[in-house]
Amino acid sequence: SQQGEEDPQALSIQEGENATMNCSYKTSINNLQWYRQNSGRGLVHLILIRSNEREKHSGRLRVTLDTSKKSSSLLITASRAADTASYFCATDARDDKIIFGKGTRLHILP
Amino acid sequence: NAGVTQTPKFRVLKTGQSMTLLCAQDMNHEYMYWYRQDPGMGLRLIHYSVGEGTTAKGEVPDGYNVSRLKKQNFLLGLESAAPSQTSVYFCASSYSAPGTQYFGPGTRLLVL
Repeated sequence: SQQGEEDPQALSIQEGENATMNCSYKTSINNLQWYRQNSGRGLVHLILIRSNEREKHSGRLRVTLDTSKKSSSLLITASRAADTASYFCATDARDDKIIFGKGTRLHILP
Repeated sequence: NAGVTQTPKFRVLKTGQSMTLLCAQDMNHEYMYWYRQDPGMGLRLIHYSVGEGTTAKGEVPDGYNVSRLKKQNFLLGLESAAPSQTSVYFCASSYSAPGTQYFGPGTRLLVL
């Protein structure tokens, strides 16, 4: 059962540009998380935003949450080659679980 | 701290063979999870545990069994491997749920 859906599925931008990816979900949540996965590696937690928060920052990352639209966005500013990865949103579900979306593949072009 | 480790990193099995994947964490986390990741499917939860001695089914539990005899270890077993179980398996742990999950490096399994 898919809760979060990322959009776009894939994104290619020039180094230095900003990258924006979105996540939509279906049912109400307590929190939403974003994770990064470099090729062939495990996922790494980036940021968690709670349902009573609208925006959160961490370094070059900016996450917004709009609970009325059931959507979130992840903005990476001043992209670097090392940002090339897949990005997943994850929403809380019943019974101590979180559900991951299928991810956005981000490719930073030199 | 090693964080979350997985053993083995890569394995090839023949259909019908059995194997156990080991996940270990040194963060004293109560919650542990096993996921599989297939192309275009994202991560799907196989089984999880909310504490030592407990296990519960996730989204895709068929064909797998798990055990959590010690708090730091979470074992995933395949009793009779099938080609459909070819995948990358990730273990994760968390202090609270639903909360930040810490992932292992993954185990690539190929079933012929």
